Amino acid sequence: ETGVTQSPTHLIKTRGQQVTLRCSSQSGHNTVSWYQQALGQGPQFIFQYYREEENGRGNFPPRFSGLQFPNYSSELNVNALELDDSALYLCASSISLDRAKETQYFGPGTRLLVL
Amino acid sequence: DQQVKQNSPSLSVQEGRISILNCDYTNSMFDYFLWYKKYPAEGPTFLISISSIKDKNEDGRFTVFLNKSAKHLSLHIVPSQPGDSAVYFCAAIDRGASNTGKLIFGQGTTLQVKP
Repeated sequence: ETGVTQSPTHLIKTRGQQVTLRCSSQSGHNTVSWYQQALGQGPQFIFQYYREEENGRGNFPPRFSGLQFPNYSSELNVNALELDDSALYLCASSISLDRAKETQYFGPGTRLLVL
Repeated sequence: DQQVKQNSPSLSVQEGRISILNCDYTNSMFDYFLWYKKYPAEGPTFLISISSIKDKNEDGRFTVFLNKSAKHLSLHIVPSQPGDSAVYFCAAIDRGASNTGKLIFGQGTTLQVKP
């Protein structure tokens, strides 16, 4: 069984640029959540996708957007990058939203540095 | 407003002894809690979870205790091993109005197990 994978592993961008991060969910999982982890902090919820629809959003501005595809893989897009967007971006998948199947399994993350 | 708090940034224990990691939460609506372990340059790895209908859940060397009246949970690792050295995150599921399985994380506790 393949776990959650993310690409790229590292990325360097400059302020104002746009970035797309990718995530492949674990086999059999239809729910994907994205988190941002700043240095020394716990991960912060960005948004969640369930069966290709956004199913909840955290306290992030609209320049953070996402997609989920029919195979349940997902993208996180960030426009107009700011220095504070430098962080580890984590993708997590779960079997479904049903209770007892909602444990989220994380990928290795994408480290984004904005200069 | 930190809804999940891990007040000890670090903990050091001797190999073979018990490690106890603590977590407090403020939202009485949380009904499912998880512990994750994170090594540098990797995503969080799921360890163990507990539903609010239980007060204890055990999996091998790992036991999680939940005290709902005190809004407190703890993770016990017995016996501790050097390979357990990592950052441990406590998380709660905030379902919200749309049944979003949003994880709210604490700040993490760095555990060091000395040989």
